[in-house]
Amino acid sequence: GNSVTQMEGPVTLSEEAFLTINCTYTATGYPSLFWYVQYPGEGLQLLLKATKADDKGSNKGFEATYRKETTSFHLEKGSVQVSDSAVYFCARYSGAGSYQLTFGKGTKLSVIP
Amino acid sequence: SQTIHQWPATLVQPVGSPLSLECTVEGTSNPNLYWYRQAAGRGLQLLFYSVGIGQISSEVPQNLSASRPQDRQFILSSKKLLLSDSGFYLCAWTPLAGTGGTEAFFGQGTRLTVV
Repeated sequence: GNSVTQMEGPVTLSEEAFLTINCTYTATGYPSLFWYVQYPGEGLQLLLKATKADDKGSNKGFEATYRKETTSFHLEKGSVQVSDSAVYFCARYSGAGSYQLTFGKGTKLSVIP
Repeated sequence: SQTIHQWPATLVQPVGSPLSLECTVEGTSNPNLYWYRQAAGRGLQLLFYSVGIGQISSEVPQNLSASRPQDRQFILSSKKLLLSDSGFYLCAWTPLAGTGGTEAFFGQGTRLTVV
């Protein structure tokens, strides 16, 4: 079936540190891939997305590249800020015949000054 | 523009009581609709999804049910709540399959505490 596996946290980093959150997905079909962010007490917001192999999604200094050969979509940011503290979810969407949006378990990131 | 409304924002219910959470989408037609539950420390779990009126797919067997009486209305229900039903419930929608832009849009969530 469709699944997403992401690095489990929590992750604690100092401000300006480099961030990587790993995410791998099952290779069934040709999914679109996403990173969502959830700030405390809120719903999820789309952070970035990629719809085909080798696409790079980017937003607010975050980047992730759709790697078909390694079935990965790792999230990176070169210099994190305290305001980046949140829970990050990797997700895949398979529209053809399935219509399922499947999430990883989420990674809680805390950035300390 | 499209919007999604989910209510109530918080709810405290006794064990054994019924539940009804409502979600409505505006500004689009034929959306795919989803109910997720986020339990503490357990990530985001897909409960139900719907590709059309009256069409509900259940991902996890439990004492919850979902209904879609109208194209842009999705309801999560229970006849008798359990303590384990406590959690943060999120409604979401995605555009009709095949139209591109497969981004999901989420409601603000409902914090349910069963006591």
